[in-house]
Amino acid sequence: DIQMTQSPSTLSASVGDRVTVTCRASQNIDTWVAWYQQKPGKAPKLLIHKASSLQTGVPSRFSGSGSGTEFTLTISSLQPDDFATYYCQQYTGDYSTFGQGTKLEIK
Amino acid sequence: QVQLVESGGGVVQPGTSLTISCVGSGFTFNKYSMHWVRQAPGQGLEWLAVTSYDGYNQYYANSVKGRFAISRDNSKNTLFLQMDSLRSDDTALYYCARGPPMGYYEVGNLDLWGQGTLVTVSS
Repeated sequence: DIQMTQSPSTLSASVGDRVTVTCRASQNIDTWVAWYQQKPGKAPKLLIHKASSLQTGVPSRFSGSGSGTEFTLTISSLQPDDFATYYCQQYTGDYSTFGQGTKLEIK
Repeated sequence: QVQLVESGGGVVQPGTSLTISCVGSGFTFNKYSMHWVRQAPGQGLEWLAVTSYDGYNQYYANSVKGRFAISRDNSKNTLFLQMDSLRSDDTALYYCARGPPMGYYEVGNLDLWGQGTLVTVSS
């Protein structure tokens, strides 16, 4: 199975900060990666697909990059609404797997 | 509006079976692959299964292969997950989610999610 390893598990930051979350795949997955935001008690929300394509309606401060085995989600200037848990997902082959999540906390 | 609504969760005993459902509305249900994803209490997301837009193809995570079965009834815009031989570690919130449309590979990003139905496996 393809494993997705996210880092860090927890990230403390302030409003206005630029933050980056990393996801590493256990094998080459081209650009078949999505990123989701989940707030407590809510369903996940798709932010980025195909590694770098911004989902319709998602603010442009969110961006994704990477290919092969290393991927990043960047928030250029943190807003109060961005404090949440973020997950990467790989979707190559006949199954999908999520990373273990990164909780973004207010410093 | 465009939405997915899950139902059928509850408290069940270990070793028993349960089928949960998800109804889609506001979009052409039979044009999209559909997925199940679960989240154990306080834990991360676990992808479980997908069915193609027409129900002909199904793929599963190794953790549930042989115990869970995904299916759909496009005439009723409904997705199902039959879960057999339930164990305590199947306790989770079960989400249905919309995958790519027809013409794209079934296993893809998930752009629409329901609010989940809670399954608790306990004696």
